[in-house]
Parts: sequence; C-alpha cells; structure tokens
Amino acid sequence: GAVVSQHPSRVICKSGTSVKIECRSLDFQATTMFWYRQFPKQSLMLMATSNEGSKATYEQGVEKDKFLINHASLTLSTLTVTSAHPEDSSFYICSARHGGRAHNEQFFGPGTRLTVL
Amino acid sequence: DQQVKQNSPSLSVQEGRISILNCDYTNSMFDYFLWYKKYPAEGPTFLISISSIKDKNEDGRFTVFLNKSAKHLSLHIVPSQPGDSAVYFCAASGETQGGSEKLVFGKGTKLTVNP
Repeated sequence: GAVVSQHPSRVICKSGTSVKIECRSLDFQATTMFWYRQFPKQSLMLMATSNEGSKATYEQGVEKDKFLINHASLTLSTLTVTSAHPEDSSFYICSARHGGRAHNEQFFGPGTRLTVL
Repeated sequence: DQQVKQNSPSLSVQEGRISILNCDYTNSMFDYFLWYKKYPAEGPTFLISISSIKDKNEDGRFTVFLNKSAKHLSLHIVPSQPGDSAVYFCAASGETQGGSEKLVFGKGTKLTVNP
C-alpha cells in the first residue's frame, strides 16, 4: 500500500510552452500533497504544499503564477509549469501524506524529468 | 541557511560491513526525523524514522540513532549489501507551513557497497 504515481515520467518541451505533471495517490486518500524540485547533486527542495480543496501554500521564492498547483480531489494533485524556460529544467517529485500512517510519513512519486529546450 | 546537513557527500563500504550515515540539524523545533533511500531518476523511498522522544529505532538491518543534545542522528546499516547502494537523504519535520508539517531534507549521501 501507499503508492504514489506521477505522469509523465519524462517530458521535453520547447521554451514558452506549459507542462502539466500529475501526481496520484493510488491506494489511499491524501489531503495533503507536496511538490519538490531537485537539481543534480542537490537536496529535494520543497516548492509548495497542496491541500485538497484549498489554495496551495508556496515556499519563499517560488512563483505561484509560474507553478500552478491544483489539488482537485483526495487522490490527485497537478503541477503546471507555465511558460517554461530552460532554467525550469529539473527533476520534479511529488509526495503524498498518508493520514493513516505514522507521523508525517510521506510517500513519494517516481518523479518527472522536465527538459525545456 | 541549511537546517539539515549531511556533510559526507559519499561513502564507500565493503559488503558485509557496517555503513554509518550521519546527519546534523540546527533547528531545535524539529521533532521527527526520517531517512529516505533514492535511486537515480526515481522518487525517494521511506526507510526508517524516529521521534524526538526516542534515541534509537531499529528495523531489520537498519537502525537510526538520535542524539538530541548534539542535534545529530545517524543511520546504521548492518550488514551492508550491494543493493543498498543508493543516495540516502536525512529529513526532519516539525516546521509548519500553512498548517501542514513539512519535511526539510539534507543534500544526501551516496552510499556505495562494494561486493
């Protein structure tokens, strides 16, 4: 149990286009999902916290108009990178918090590799 | 300012020996600590955790030790196996963001277990 999926796993797009990444909790309901970004050889950096039915909470320095987050249901959160530029190329990972499990135990998706040309 | 630090970017160990991965933190408000294992191009996988009210938690070959006074925790893997080769992230929680606790990660330590 506690499986989180992400789609797509890899995407290459042209500069200026928008890209949507989906994060799904497959076998549990997640009222809270998190979006992270990881640069090579760096830590996972939290971008935003997504709560079902309410607006996402963004970390300092993350542009909410550029990284649109929608958490429409208890099993799905989406991250849309709008007007993507090469500097947005990164590994994006989502996680979902399983409310029925131990304190703040988050389960991570497999990640999405975004390359902006 | 990095609140969770993993000062060793890499560690190499012989199969069958003990692997010790270290992690330091600066925020005394952290009350729960987790270790994740990550393979390239994959998401992190939860390994083991420990609450600040404990100083040790064991799960099979994995043991996490917490020294609150030193703000230090370590992950012991014994015996180490080649399949343990991965990047290990230390994470801490206790901070809140909009009412939800968030995890703060270290930069990771790449463990290589040699056959």
